[in-house]
Amino acid sequence: KAGVTQTPRYLIKTRGQQVTLSCSPISGHRSVSWYQQTPGQGLQFLFEYFSETQRNKGNFPGRFSGRQFSNSRSEMNVSTLELGDSALYLCASSLVGGADTQYFGPGTRLTVL
Amino acid sequence: GNSVTQMEGPVTLSEEAFLTINCTYTATGYPSLFWYVQYPGEGLQLLLKATKADDKGSNKGFEATYRKETTSFHLEKGSVQVSDSAVYFCALIRNNAGNMLTFGGGTRLMVKP
Repeated sequence: KAGVTQTPRYLIKTRGQQVTLSCSPISGHRSVSWYQQTPGQGLQFLFEYFSETQRNKGNFPGRFSGRQFSNSRSEMNVSTLELGDSALYLCASSLVGGADTQYFGPGTRLTVL
Repeated sequence: GNSVTQMEGPVTLSEEAFLTINCTYTATGYPSLFWYVQYPGEGLQLLLKATKADDKGSNKGFEATYRKETTSFHLEKGSVQVSDSAVYFCALIRNNAGNMLTFGGGTRLMVKP
């Protein structure tokens, strides 16, 4: 069974631009979560989607948004990029969420110049 | 709120040495506990988990026991290998409270031949 895939793997943007990252979960998994990883703040939860609905949300500004499609694929969008948004963005999928094991993708490395 | 505290690294060991990485947590209710490992340039891989007090998670020679009385989930391995060099993250999910993983800061392990 294929793992979680994320595209693109690397991205360079400039301040003020917007960016969309994509995540394809493991087949059959319906819950997709997003995390931001930075050297200063560590791993922080962004949001979770289940059945095309945002079910949980972390403490991030409204510039960070996401969505989930009927095939469980998910995208996250960051508008008006700031230098501090430079990070590794990780997507994780699980069967139905809750305390289910979350399986992580390789991440998208975003650099904001 | 929930929090996870790990010993700071890096931890440097010689091959075949005994490993302990300390992890303590604060959470209301009864969380599920996890250890994830991150190899350079990759996402997170689940190493082991425990869902209730006194459970022992184990995988690839690594073990951790859920200790409710000390709110701890220390990671141990009897004999480390060079290939175990990575960053290890302790994490929790509060049961019945969504699937937001709360991570510790990570501990870098370096194993020398």
